[in-house]
Formats: sequence, structure tokens, C-alpha cells
Amino acid sequence: SQQGEEDPQALSIQEGENATMNCSYKTSINNLQWYRQNSGRGLVHLILIRSNEREKHSGRLRVTLDTSKKSSSLLITASRAADTASYFCATFYGNNRLAFGKGNQVVVIP
Amino acid sequence: GAGVSQSPRYKVAKRGQDVALRCDPISGHVSLFWYQQALGQGPEFLTYFQNEAQLDKSGLPSDRFFAERPEGSVSTLKIQRTQQEDSAVYLCASSLYRGGETQYFGPGTRLLVL
Repeated sequence: SQQGEEDPQALSIQEGENATMNCSYKTSINNLQWYRQNSGRGLVHLILIRSNEREKHSGRLRVTLDTSKKSSSLLITASRAADTASYFCATFYGNNRLAFGKGNQVVVIP
Repeated sequence: GAGVSQSPRYKVAKRGQDVALRCDPISGHVSLFWYQQALGQGPEFLTYFQNEAQLDKSGLPSDRFFAERPEGSVSTLKIQRTQQEDSAVYLCASSLYRGGETQYFGPGTRLLVL
């Protein structure tokens, strides 16, 4: 069953702008991960944030985690056309599986 | 190094046919996972192997779905008597350690059942 729920589910922005998307989940987690998927490269792991962390950066990516609200956000700064993709959050409960949300479609217009 | 590979990349089957989807994980990875991704949805867990042992098959949607990893490396997902609702992308992922916190995904096999 789907665990994460991303919001917004579709986003269209101009190149250079920032893109923010949110994810909520239902139960306690070990960590939360964000993935990118496009037709050219399949599903690619972007960043992992553990349940005891509140914020994490990787290049132009910034992820926050609020365990009290059971939510996370992904910020992509200075977006590029190559960032056009679907973005999924996935929660890991330590039971050997990832539970993915429905995904956000992001279109970056050159 | 080589990533996770899957074959075939595309498969068209007539309803009622059996299909076999192959996954070659990253060499040395202990854990292997299969996910099913319907159009417009996120991947959903099907099954998990630790080496050759299938430790979790709770996500398999019916007894028409069967997966194996007999030597702890290559895995095959078999779907018997395919139905139209089986149309989806089937993703394989592998992880170096037990538990699979960080998973590396293959490109997927897109299955279309007519």
C-alpha cells in the first residue's frame, strides 16, 4: 500500500527557480528517502534522512524531516531542465521494504 | 561498475500467457527486491530475498506471481496466466547489506498484457 503522499503532485517552474515538494507518512519510520525517476535513467536515489535528523543537504537538494508532523519536504534550488522528472518519497521501516508515495511530476521550463 | 540490469526491457504478452522477468543485481549484493509500479503510481513492494532465501513475499498480489533466486545472485519473477491488471513496470533493486536500507534500482521491465 502507498505510504507517502506527496504534495503538490504536479509542478511546473522556470529554469533557475526553486522547487519544493512535500511528503507525509502515517507511522513511525527509521528513515525517509527521496528518489528521482525519469525515462532515461530509471529510479535514482537522491538523499536519505534518518528519523533523528531534521535537515540534510546534498548539492542543490535540501531535505527536512518533521517526525512530530510525520512529514518531509524536498527543496531543489536553482532548478535546471535536467531536473525534469518524477520525485518520490519513500519511507523505510526496517522491515526490508521501502514504501513509496505516488510521486510529484516536476517540469522545468528552459 | 555495472548497476542492476533487467531483461527484457519491454514485454508484450497476450492475456493468459506466462512471462518471466530477469534481474541481475549488483555483484555481491546480499539483498534483492522486486517492486511493481502501475502507471502514475509509486513502486509497490512485491518480495525480498536475502541471498537465496525469500524472506518476504507478502507483497505478491496473487499465487500467479512467483519469484526465485536459486544461487543468491540472478533473480526471476514469473507471472503465470497474465491478466490485464498485471500491466505495469516491474522494478528490481539490490542492496549490499541485509535489510536493504539503501537500494539500487534497475531500469525496470515494462509489461503490457493485451
